[in-house]
Amino acid sequence: EAGVAQSPRYKIIEKRQSVAFWCNPISGHATLYWYQQILGQGPKLLIQFQNNGVVDDSQLPKDRFSAERLKGVDSTLKIQPAKLEDSAVYLCASSFRGQGRETQYFGPGTRLLVL
Amino acid sequence: AQSVAQPEDQVNVAEGNPLTVKCTYSVSGNPYLFWYVQYPNRGLQFLLKYITGDNLVKGSYGFEAEFNKSQTSFHLKKPSALVSDSALYFCAVSLYNFNKFYFGSGTKLNVKP
Repeated sequence: EAGVAQSPRYKIIEKRQSVAFWCNPISGHATLYWYQQILGQGPKLLIQFQNNGVVDDSQLPKDRFSAERLKGVDSTLKIQPAKLEDSAVYLCASSFRGQGRETQYFGPGTRLLVL
Repeated sequence: AQSVAQPEDQVNVAEGNPLTVKCTYSVSGNPYLFWYVQYPNRGLQFLLKYITGDNLVKGSYGFEAEFNKSQTSFHLKKPSALVSDSALYFCAVSLYNFNKFYFGSGTKLNVKP
């Protein structure tokens, strides 16, 4: 079974530029999560989708961050414009909808450096 | 506010010795508790979870954790550490219907030969 795929793995941009990250969850997983992990900290949930609907985006900085999951499968997270403090690893995770839905499967992450 | 605390940034243990990585939580309602491990340049991997039932849960790679409601703790343990256990460990808590997850700041485990 293929795992959660993310691209790109690394990205370097200058502040005020835009960037987008892509995530393809495990096949059949209805729930998709985006996390931000700043160096030395634990992952912070940015947004959670159930199919193509948003379950929770309370910690998403909506003035600059946006995410979509139009067809309920893969998802894109965008930052526009980026700030220095956005430098972090962005993790995507997915889980089943039914039994076992509490277990998340994580992708390798996208490491973003904003200069 | 919901939170998870991992009081130790780093734990050092000799190979073959028992290890404990501590986690305490503060939530309203019944918690669902998890441990994940992160190896360098890789995503988080699920180790074990407590949802309900027996307070002692067993997980992958010989790890176990004990849910203690009175102390609001969920410490990760292993009877005999391996050098390959060296990694970053995260405790996490989820609330009702698994719609919100909160992670601790992580504990770096160093197992020396």
